[in-house]
Amino acid sequence: DAGVIQSPRHEVTEMGQEVTLRCKPISGHNSLFWYRQTMMRGLELLIYFNNNVPIDDSGMPEDRFSAKMPNASFSTLKIQPSEPRDSAVYFCASSLSSNGELFFGEGSRLTVL
Amino acid sequence: KQEVTQIPAALSVPEGENLVLNCSFTDSAIYNLQWFRQDPGKGLTSLLLIQSSQREQTSGRLNASLDKSSGRSTLYIAASQPGDSATYLCAVGPGGGADGLTFGKGTHLIIQP
Repeated sequence: DAGVIQSPRHEVTEMGQEVTLRCKPISGHNSLFWYRQTMMRGLELLIYFNNNVPIDDSGMPEDRFSAKMPNASFSTLKIQPSEPRDSAVYFCASSLSSNGELFFGEGSRLTVL
Repeated sequence: KQEVTQIPAALSVPEGENLVLNCSFTDSAIYNLQWFRQDPGKGLTSLLLIQSSQREQTSGRLNASLDKSSGRSTLYIAASQPGDSATYLCAVGPGGGADGLTFGKGTHLIIQP
């Protein structure tokens, strides 16, 4: 069974450009989470969805960040405009329920020049 | 706000040793606790999930314990092998109806052949 699938695995872009990260959760999982990992701050929860509905976006750093989940099998995290301080690894994770065992994708490494 | 601390930050031991990784959290009102492994450039792999009503979980050479009242968990690795080298992260799931794991910064483990 396929795990959580993220794309792209690597993205290098210039400051000011729009970045879109994509995630396909494990089939049947009802909850989806977006995390960001940096050396300084570790793993931080950005936003999570239950049954495609955003529940808590208090971790989204700024209005430049937005996330959508149009259906149960797809979610996007968008940064517009991107800044160098957004450089990090962005992880998507899913679980059967909002407080169940969490399964992570391989991450999208973003570098903003 | 929940804070998760992992000690030590890094550990290097010879192959074959038994070792203990520590995790502490400030708010004991948790729903569950999960231990993950992260290899360089990879996503997080779930190792063990302990529900708040449980004391421990075992998988192969791994044993995780939970003492909710004191805000502590340990991950015990028996007969360590070079393949165990990775970063180990502890994460707690909040109680009170909230969702989303709060992560420690991890213990970077090196097993010397």
